[in-house]
Amino acid sequence: KQEVTQIPAALSVPEGENLVLNCSFTDSAIYNLQWFRQDPGKGLTSLLLIQSSQREQTSGRLNASLDKSSGRSTLYIAASQPGDSATYLCAVSASNYQLIWGAGTKLIIKP
Amino acid sequence: DAGITQSPRHKVTETGTPVTLRCHQTENHRYMYWYRQDPGHGLRLIHYSYGVKDTDKGEVSDGYSVSRSKTEDFLLTLESATSSQTSVYFCAISESRGDEKTQYFGPGTRLLVL
Repeated sequence: KQEVTQIPAALSVPEGENLVLNCSFTDSAIYNLQWFRQDPGKGLTSLLLIQSSQREQTSGRLNASLDKSSGRSTLYIAASQPGDSATYLCAVSASNYQLIWGAGTKLIIKP
Repeated sequence: DAGITQSPRHKVTETGTPVTLRCHQTENHRYMYWYRQDPGHGLRLIHYSYGVKDTDKGEVSDGYSVSRSKTEDFLLTLESATSSQTSVYFCAISESRGDEKTQYFGPGTRLLVL
């Protein structure tokens, strides 16, 4: 059974720092991996989607990498801003196309 | 933003009461999903639909039923609500089964079962 883990559960860093969020999964047979952002009281917004054949995806200050063999993905945020404060979730697409989710990392960027 | 609305946005109900949550989309997407989100857990899939009147169970379907009589509407029903069903419920839609497309989420419904 696929399991997705995100460590740490919470992270607080000063504004301007570069940071890395981690996601690990137990079964390397995935179709894709996605990173989402969730703001308090709101739904989820897709940030990046990495196909299983890809190694990384970039969007603005965000870069996500995927290493299927080790069951890991990282989300790199460059030059963090207070507006980046949110909960970040990763999800992997399983063999039946259902998404299996991590519990998320709550990120706080201090001004 | 994808045109997804959920109603109600907040609901308080009593144990044993039936509850229906509605998800409405204006995108004409084929796939619709119901998730619940609880502290310490990621989102967990309750049921999903791959077309009108075509639905299937997810990871945590016990105690829930769904219906999809129109492309745009996906209803989640708790036949007899229990306190363990207190949660935030999210609806999502996608164009495809997920190989190359992401899911778009509604704003969520907070349900409290007393």
